[in-house]
Amino acid sequence: EAGVVQSPRYKIIEKKQPVAFWCNPISGHNTLYWYLQNLGQGPELLIRYENEEAVDDSQLPKDRFSAERLKGVDSTLKIQPAELGDSAVYLCASSSGLPNTEAFFGQGTRLTVV
Amino acid sequence: RKEVEQDPGPFNVPEGATVAFNCTYSNSASQSFFWYRQDCRKEPKLLMSVYSSGNEDGRFTAQLNRASQYISLLIRDSKLSDSATYLCVVCSGYSTLTFGKGTMLLVSP
Repeated sequence: EAGVVQSPRYKIIEKKQPVAFWCNPISGHNTLYWYLQNLGQGPELLIRYENEEAVDDSQLPKDRFSAERLKGVDSTLKIQPAELGDSAVYLCASSSGLPNTEAFFGQGTRLTVV
Repeated sequence: RKEVEQDPGPFNVPEGATVAFNCTYSNSASQSFFWYRQDCRKEPKLLMSVYSSGNEDGRFTAQLNRASQYISLLIRDSKLSDSATYLCVVCSGYSTLTFGKGTMLLVSP
């Protein structure tokens, strides 16, 4: 069974440029998360989807970040314009439904803004 | 106060040692608890869920104390391959997963 797939694995962009990350969750998983992880820190939630509905986006900086999950399957996270401080690893995870099942993570996209 | 707090370490232990990590959480309504393991430059992976009665998986034992709002992880007979960062995770509400900063473990020969 395929796990959570993210692309690209690495991205280097100049500040003020736009960037997009893509995530394909495990088949059948209704819950999809986007997390941001800085070096030496734990993952921090950006947004959580239940099917196509964003049910928790309170930590998403909406002035520059946007996300969508059309048809409740794969998802895209966008940053426009990117800032130096956005350099981090962006992790996507999916779950069949908590609280008693685990969340599976993709390998992440490592973003460097220069 | 942060929602989930962990000692960042690093914990440096020799092979064969027993090591314990603690984690505290602030939301008394939290429902589920997990320990994840994260290797350097890799994604987090579930190590074990934590149940109220405590649970054991081989060399790993997890405990939950709801009254004091803390979770623990005990690793017995440490192996070199146990070197990683251990993330405490708390689930509040239907699916809101909150991670601690992680505790780094370094096991040396």
